[in-house]
Amino acid sequence: KQEVTQIPAALSVPEGENLVLNCSFTDSAIYNLQWFRQDPGKGLTSLLLIQSSQREQTSGRLNASLDKSSGRSTLYIAASQPGDSATYLCAVHPRDYGGATNKLIFGTGTLLAVQP
Amino acid sequence: NAGVTQTPKFQVLKTGQSMTLQCAQDMNHEYMSWYRQDPGMGLRLIHYSVGAGITDQGEVPNGYNVSRSTTEDFPLRLLSAAPSQTSVYFCASRRDRDSGNTIYFGEGSWLTVV
Repeated sequence: KQEVTQIPAALSVPEGENLVLNCSFTDSAIYNLQWFRQDPGKGLTSLLLIQSSQREQTSGRLNASLDKSSGRSTLYIAASQPGDSATYLCAVHPRDYGGATNKLIFGTGTLLAVQP
Repeated sequence: NAGVTQTPKFQVLKTGQSMTLQCAQDMNHEYMSWYRQDPGMGLRLIHYSVGAGITDQGEVPNGYNVSRSTTEDFPLRLLSAAPSQTSVYFCASRRDRDSGNTIYFGEGSWLTVV
């Protein structure tokens, strides 16, 4: 059974620091891996999606990598800002459920606080 | 530019009551789904739909019912509420079966069953 783990559960950094959030998964049979941001009392916003054939994706100050063989992904945030404070979730789309579902397996998230 | 809209935002129910969480999307998406989010457990899929008239069970379907009579709407019904159904519920949609398409989430419905 696919399991997704995110470490650390919480992280506090001063503004301007570069930081890395980690995500690991137990089964490499995936279609893709996604990173989401969740603000308090709000829904999830998709940040980056990495297909299983890709190694990384970039959007602005965000860079996500995928190492399927080791079951790991990282989300790198450059020059962090207080506005980056949120919970970051990663999710994998497992192959054994086929492409015809919205079934994503989520980690429990990393709560990031960027101190001004 | 509404996206995915969920109502109500907050609801308190008594054990045994029934209710419907509403979800609507205005993007003409084929795929819609319901997740619940519980502390320490991440989001889990309850039910999903691949188009009007077609629904299927997810990971935790017991105690919930869905229907998809139109492309836009995907309501989630709690048949007889239990305290274990206290959770935050999220509706999501995606354009089609291509898993590479962006998935859009509503802002959530906070449900407390007492």
